[in-house]
Amino acid sequence: RKEVEQDPGPFNVPEGATVAFNCTYSNSASQSFFWYRQDCRKEPKLLMSVYSSGNEDGRFTAQLNRASQYISLLIRDSKLSDSATYLCVVNSEGGATNKLIFGTGTLLAVQP
Amino acid sequence: NAGVMQNPRHLVRRRGQEARLRCSPMKGHSHVYWYRQLPEEGLKFMVYLQKENIIDESGMPKERFSAEFPKEGPSILRIQQVVRGDSAAYFCASSPPGLFTDTQYFGPGTRLTVL
Repeated sequence: RKEVEQDPGPFNVPEGATVAFNCTYSNSASQSFFWYRQDCRKEPKLLMSVYSSGNEDGRFTAQLNRASQYISLLIRDSKLSDSATYLCVVNSEGGATNKLIFGTGTLLAVQP
Repeated sequence: NAGVMQNPRHLVRRRGQEARLRCSPMKGHSHVYWYRQLPEEGLKFMVYLQKENIIDESGMPKERFSAEFPKEGPSILRIQQVVRGDSAAYFCASSPPGLFTDTQYFGPGTRLTVL
């Protein structure tokens, strides 16, 4: 079983749509959770950290369910510029190592 | 404040040659991480370094790969006797010292092509 699993997509949605991505992780000792965005042939860029209480940044909402080891990202009112691969990322164990474990990513294509 | 810098951005090597990839962390950051992204795959952790110390190298292949982060100068990822399977994008990330070090900022990557 992969440490971080995501639906690879692609998700093809029209502009203005709401889209949700899901992710599960296997290591219950993980302490930190993130969503990164990666454009084609570019570096990953931090989109947002994910907290148990849930957090929102504009059109983006992230949720964490520790009991189910499940992370989600909701994008409202999709824009063409949201087209990218969204990476679910987990800190492997917390503590000293700081090793990030990446999912393979979910590809989003927003259509005009 | 400049971000994480990597060079070269593109590197072409023939089988058997050496590849040296350089990474300068963001100003004030003392933690450096190297990740590799093979074609059509996710990023995989390779090594975590602080100045003059390797903290975690659990993702480094056992042979041909080495990394350093000297007191002065950039971090270097060195691949000896490259093979075609080493062709990938190599990303460096950095984070600041202190308690909240788990947010990592990535450089633009070096794309290595082995002919």
